[in-house]
Amino acid sequence: DTAVSQTPKYLVTQMGNDKSIKCEQNLGHDTMYWYKQDSKKFLKIMFSYNNKELIINETVPNRFSPKSPDKAHLNLHINSLELGDSAVYFCASSQDSAGGLGTQYFGPGTRLLVL
Amino acid sequence: ELKVEQNPLFLSMQEGKNYTIYCNYSTTSDRLYWYRQDPGKSLESLFVLLSNGAVKQEGRLMASLDTKARLSTLHITAAVHDLSATYFCAVDGSTSGTYKYIFGTGTRLKVLA
Repeated sequence: DTAVSQTPKYLVTQMGNDKSIKCEQNLGHDTMYWYKQDSKKFLKIMFSYNNKELIINETVPNRFSPKSPDKAHLNLHINSLELGDSAVYFCASSQDSAGGLGTQYFGPGTRLLVL
Repeated sequence: ELKVEQNPLFLSMQEGKNYTIYCNYSTTSDRLYWYRQDPGKSLESLFVLLSNGAVKQEGRLMASLDTKARLSTLHITAAVHDLSATYFCAVDGSTSGTYKYIFGTGTRLKVLA
């Protein structure tokens, strides 16, 4: 069974379009994350949700809007796509607590190419 | 702002050789994580280091943590080609109940036959 799944795995689209990426985890974790990995492999946190509530919103353009319908799902909608949005987007989940962060489990990634 | 720096960024080494990857971070944290990413793949957890002096070993990889020096090392012993990947360290950067990993810059390792 896949622990953290993302769809789609590949996304090729034109500038100005709107697209969504979906993420689901079956690990029972309370916290889910979105990361962006650029062409230089730098990994940057975008958002985190804990029990469906937004916890972290890094300096991400407001064209990016996450939504968590329940604690097992975290989706990412992107409006008016730009060339600079091309990257690999990873979803991750972990069981975190006040005692510290748990190990993160990553999805397979969504490779977004904006033309 | 919490910074996590790794060096080297790129490492090309011969099979059979030993080498160490360094991870420095700029704030107090007693938790550090190491992840591996194969080309075109996702990240997988390697080690979780939970306290000062912690040492974990798996096969040819050994990780250690010195929280006083804010330094973690990932030591590779007798490298083999299968270890070629990008290695990331990550620090618990949580503040006031916000759960947040800060990832290092990554070290791309290539082991040459």
